[in-house]
Amino acid sequence: DAGVIQSPRHEVTEMGQEVTLRCKPISGHDYLFWYRQTMMRGLELLIYFNNNVPIDDSGMPEDRFSAKMPNASFSTLKIQPSEPRDSAVYFCASRPRDTYTEAFFGQGTRLTVV
Amino acid sequence: AQSVTQLDSQVPVFEEAPVELRCNYSSSVSVYLFWYVQYPNQGLQLLLKYLSGSTLVKGINGFEAEFNKSQTSFHLRKPSVHISDTAEYFCAVTRAGGTSYGKLTFGQGTILTVHP
Repeated sequence: DAGVIQSPRHEVTEMGQEVTLRCKPISGHDYLFWYRQTMMRGLELLIYFNNNVPIDDSGMPEDRFSAKMPNASFSTLKIQPSEPRDSAVYFCASRPRDTYTEAFFGQGTRLTVV
Repeated sequence: AQSVTQLDSQVPVFEEAPVELRCNYSSSVSVYLFWYVQYPNQGLQLLLKYLSGSTLVKGINGFEAEFNKSQTSFHLRKPSVHISDTAEYFCAVTRAGGTSYGKLTFGQGTILTVHP
């Protein structure tokens, strides 16, 4: 299995531009999570989906952030417009329905907004 | 809600020495506990997890952790570290059972540096 695949691995964009991060979860996994990692705030959950439906988006920082999961094999996290304080590493993770199985993380996307 | 406190932000240690990375959690409900490791420019990899049963949990790479409910702790230990163990380690907690499982709350991380 290829694991959770995120793209791009690195993204540098100018303030005000739209940024789209992509994630392909492990096949058969019912849950998908988006996390953000910063020096100041550590790892924080932004949003998670169950069977493509958003369950909890309370961690999404503001309206500039949106996430979608159009099908079981693809999710996007969009920031529009981007700001320098959005610079962080964004992780996607997935897990199966089985209660006793942990979440598997992708390699992350390092976003730099200049 | 749950919270996690990792008591040491950095732990330097010499190769072949023992190490303990401390983790305390807070929760009003039963929880599952995890330790993840993050190598530079990599994603998070599970080291071990506690769900139920024996309070001593063994994981990959020779690591183990002990769940202590009365002290709400889940400290990670290794009797003899290697240079390759240099990484950042995260303790995480989630509510036991139900659909919220997998919605992890992480500690701030502990950077373990192993010196030759």
